[in-house]
Amino acid sequence: QKEVEQNSGPLSVPEGAIASLNCTYSDRGSQSFFWYRQYSGKSPELIMSIYSNGDKEDGRFTAQLNKASQYVSLLIRDSQPSDSATYLCAVNKRGNNRLAFGKGNQVVVIP
Amino acid sequence: DADVTQTPRNRITKTGKRIMLECSQTKGHDRMYWYRQDPGLGLRLIYYSFDVKDINKGEISDGYSVSRQAQAKFSLSLESAIPNQTALYFCATSDSQGGPPDTQYFGPGTRLTVL
Repeated sequence: QKEVEQNSGPLSVPEGAIASLNCTYSDRGSQSFFWYRQYSGKSPELIMSIYSNGDKEDGRFTAQLNKASQYVSLLIRDSQPSDSATYLCAVNKRGNNRLAFGKGNQVVVIP
Repeated sequence: DADVTQTPRNRITKTGKRIMLECSQTKGHDRMYWYRQDPGLGLRLIYYSFDVKDINKGEISDGYSVSRQAQAKFSLSLESAIPNQTALYFCATSDSQGGPPDTQYFGPGTRLTVL
């Protein structure tokens, strides 16, 4: 089982719609969870961090964490063309404070 | 000025050459990391350092070495570059003493091509 899995293929959403991304992780002791946005050829940019079960909202972004089911999700409300990017899920690895990254999900917002 | 800088930003080299990629940060963070990113493979950790005297191998350290010259500087070397080391390389930093736990901040990246 991979440490962090993001299985969905490219996601196309119309402008103004909600984009939903999911991520599962294998280490039940993981404590910190992150979503990074990466534009093509650019560096990953932190957009959300979440540490406790439940929802965390920041502007148009909402992260949801369910430790019992070992998944973390990201919702992007009122999607804009500028949200078109690859979104990386990252999870801390218990015991050594390193992050494990998923391979990312590409989001395309169609005007 | 950017908090995390990487030099060079782009480099084309030939097989067998020694290459050094440099990373500097003004964030005051104690921890620094080197990753490479390949299409379809995501970000993979090469080396990481939790302080000047602490260097650790990551998932894919073979063919690479690092030097932590100061808290703010962390260099990655390819002793004898080979074509499959062609990739986008990122430096990242994090702060163990404050701020959001485990949060890593990335530099702008170095695109390395080995011919």
